[in-house]
Amino acid sequence: KNQVEQSPQSLIILEGKNCTLQCNYTVSPFSNLRWYKQDTGRGPVSLTIMTFSENTKSNGRYTATLDADTKQSSLHITASQLSDSASYICVVSEYGGSYIPTFGRGTSLIVHP
Amino acid sequence: DTEVTQTPKHLVMGMTNKKSLKCEQHMGHRAMYWYKQKAKKPPELMFVYSYEKLSINESVPSRFSPECPNSSLLNLHLHALQPEDSALYLCASSPSGGHQETQYFGPGTRLLVL
Repeated sequence: KNQVEQSPQSLIILEGKNCTLQCNYTVSPFSNLRWYKQDTGRGPVSLTIMTFSENTKSNGRYTATLDADTKQSSLHITASQLSDSASYICVVSEYGGSYIPTFGRGTSLIVHP
Repeated sequence: DTEVTQTPKHLVMGMTNKKSLKCEQHMGHRAMYWYKQKAKKPPELMFVYSYEKLSINESVPSRFSPECPNSSLLNLHLHALQPEDSALYLCASSPSGGHQETQYFGPGTRLLVL
């Protein structure tokens, strides 16, 4: 069964600090991995998407890494801002077949001033 | 225009009511999706439409009835819902439904069933 596990479940940091969120998956065969940011009560917004051949991708202060061998990904947030407070969801898609992505449960990040 | 819009933003309905959720996108996408999301849980896929045809139904109860009138619109008709159906209902779209595509999500409709 395809699974996506995220850690930590929740995280509290001070404004200006860096943080790293983790995502481990068992989806196979692997197609791609996305990180989404979801503000409370809003729809998820895509931050990055990585395929098998990519091991790092940046979007402003967000940098995602992917190790397809160990099936691990991380999302690093640099110089956090209050607006970074949100849930960060890792989503992994299986190659081929019908499109049913596997969602992680998300990491809830709170940035305090 | 990279926006997916959903109406209404909030909806309160009784268990005997009939209501509809609406979703619209003008990005030329040919795949559209309905998700249900409970608090502090990830979105759960309900339905997928590809080229206006229902391609995936994730064993959703018949009290939820999707409809895709055209390539830009997606509706979710609700009838005889239960309180446990209260959730955030998210619509998403992608170019053609391929597994490498990014889905663009709408803001969601917050549904409360009394």
